[in-house]
Amino acid sequence: KQEVTQIPAALSVPEGENLVLNCSFTDSAIYNLQWFRQDPGKGLTSLLLIQSSQREQTSGRLNASLDKSSGRSTLYIAASQPGDSATYLCAVNQAGTALIFGKGTTLSVSS
Amino acid sequence: DTGVSQDPRHKITKRGQNVTFRCDPISEHNRLYWYRQTLGQGPEFLTYFQNEAQLEKSRLLSDRFSAERPKGSFSTLEIQRTEQGDSAMYLCASSQPGLMNTEAFFGQGTRLTVV
Repeated sequence: KQEVTQIPAALSVPEGENLVLNCSFTDSAIYNLQWFRQDPGKGLTSLLLIQSSQREQTSGRLNASLDKSSGRSTLYIAASQPGDSATYLCAVNQAGTALIFGKGTTLSVSS
Repeated sequence: DTGVSQDPRHKITKRGQNVTFRCDPISEHNRLYWYRQTLGQGPEFLTYFQNEAQLEKSRLLSDRFSAERPKGSFSTLEIQRTEQGDSAMYLCASSQPGLMNTEAFFGQGTRLTVV
């Protein structure tokens, strides 16, 4: 059974710092991995999608990497801003249908 | 079309009542998913449609839950005889067909509180 783990569960950083969020999964047979952002009480916003054949994807200050063989992905946020404060979720697509999510990392960026 | 739309955004109901939620996916997406999220947890898969066919159901979807997508467009999720344990955020997502480039887009969710 696929399990997705996100470390740390919570992270507090001052504005301007670069940071890395970690995601690990137990079964490397995935089609893709997706990172989401969730603000309190809101739905999920898709940030980046990495196909299983890709090593990384970039969007603005965000860079996501994927090492499928070791079951790991990282989300790198450069020059963090208070507006980046949210919960970040990673999810794997294993069977081409439903996503399997981690519990998320709650990020707080102070000004 | 601005994205996945869910209605209502919030629902408070008394235990034992039935509730129904609606999801309108992105128009060109033929796949539609329902997830449930409780506080501090990631979303958990409930069920999945491709067009009007319900292709997969989680064991979380008890017999009190039923989902439909009658014309392959919008979908409804009904919970009968609600229990306090049903209190959660119910999320809907949609995606295009395919195995690889199946980026999922989520709605804003329906927050259910059972009192």
